[in-house]
Amino acid sequence: DSGVTQTPKHLITATGQRVTLRCSPRSGDLSVYWYQQSLDQGLQFLIQYYNGEERAKGNILERFSAQQFPDLHSELNLSSLELGDSALYFCASSLAYSSDTQYFGPGTRLTVL
Amino acid sequence: DAKTTQPTSMDCAEGRAANLPCNHSTISGNEYVYWYRQIHSQGPQYIIHGLKNNETNEMASLIITEDRKSSTLILPHATLRDTAVYYCIVRVESSNYKLTFGKGTLLTVNP
Repeated sequence: DSGVTQTPKHLITATGQRVTLRCSPRSGDLSVYWYQQSLDQGLQFLIQYYNGEERAKGNILERFSAQQFPDLHSELNLSSLELGDSALYFCASSLAYSSDTQYFGPGTRLTVL
Repeated sequence: DAKTTQPTSMDCAEGRAANLPCNHSTISGNEYVYWYRQIHSQGPQYIIHGLKNNETNEMASLIITEDRKSSTLILPHATLRDTAVYYCIVRVESSNYKLTFGKGTLLTVNP
């Protein structure tokens, strides 16, 4: 158990819909990262927040957005969903802005039908 | 970050040592070698990292060649629970915000 929690574990929705994935980092960690893992693309970095502020963006689509709240939990919002958005979404956390060790949550499996 | 090359898959007998190689011939002097693993559909898990000296922790040992162009992750006594995809990642320590995962090596530990 990494100490990072993600909800829900599974999400099934239809194309065009919007969903919100939630992540609670390890106690004391200030940095949250979101990754997407699909069968054809592997694990891809999406975005990072540090202490409430966006710090880095990776291959995140404009239809996706995220935020980190004062209690440090983070949400990833996915809108206008397409079939290709079906994937595992992982959240990771670390103590500092750029840490050697990122602790990953169990992931949310999103299925878009 | 330097690119890495790993075998697609490897097998190992339970109880034996698993030696997972990684080539990183373009590694820079300030880049570290990191290893993570991902058990089927679970979140990746940090294993170990090092610069040029061999490193050991409770999970594994990391052997880096003198020219730093390759490394080997050693699981001394592999168990069935070590079956996972192992990722070798090269990056500058504490200076990059993301982990760049390649395809990794699927290690299958057989009874």
